[in-house]
Amino acid sequence: QVPLVESGGGVVQPGRSLRLSCAASGFTFRNYGMHWVRQAPGKGLEWVALVYHDGSKKYYADSVKGRFSISRDNSQNTLYLEMNSLRTEDTAVYYCAPDPISSRVYGMQAWGRGTTVIVSS
Amino acid sequence: IVLTQSPGTLSLSPGERATLSCRASQSVDDYVAWYQQTSGQAPRLLIYGASSRATGIPDRFSGSGSGTDFTLTISRLEPEDFAVYYCQQYGPSPTFGQGTRVEIK
Repeated sequence: QVPLVESGGGVVQPGRSLRLSCAASGFTFRNYGMHWVRQAPGKGLEWVALVYHDGSKKYYADSVKGRFSISRDNSQNTLYLEMNSLRTEDTAVYYCAPDPISSRVYGMQAWGRGTTVIVSS
Repeated sequence: IVLTQSPGTLSLSPGERATLSCRASQSVDDYVAWYQQTSGQAPRLLIYGASSRATGIPDRFSGSGSGTDFTLTISRLEPEDFAVYYCQQYGPSPTFGQGTRVEIK
């Protein structure tokens, strides 16, 4: 059983919107802070957003602030990333990942396999 | 906070020792993790809290450091260890280093 499974990626035109989902299973999702991390083709890892375990606090990279919104539904064990005003530079594989502090305390440490977003006209 | 990893590429043979460096632009206490990424795969957590091995990680991997200077050491390289390694600081606004590629010499 894969603990985190991302979905919702695809090809989208610049300026349009997309919503990514990350379904969690096999662990107590509500205990974990959760991140979105992306990786552009041939590039390194870039942190995108963080939401606390209870949704009370959210943080964003400057590159996505005001355009992306992270949220979670602990009753559905799902993490979301709403992406608006997409740009070509948002093209990347998007991963959901547990916060290392949560992993340290509760034990689940695996990332999802990622979902690919391509922004192109 | 900017993380700078060095070297960019490390060319070593199986059985050799690998030492990877990560320097932070300001103190991050011990909120540093190390990840391994092999081609086409999701990153795998190796080390958290600068020096604690994640579950299932072999003891040839070790982390050290605090404040601004951190090191990941692989004591004896196995064939499956040739990969890209990233450090991360996980304060409220996390960042990653640019990665170090460990390649077969």
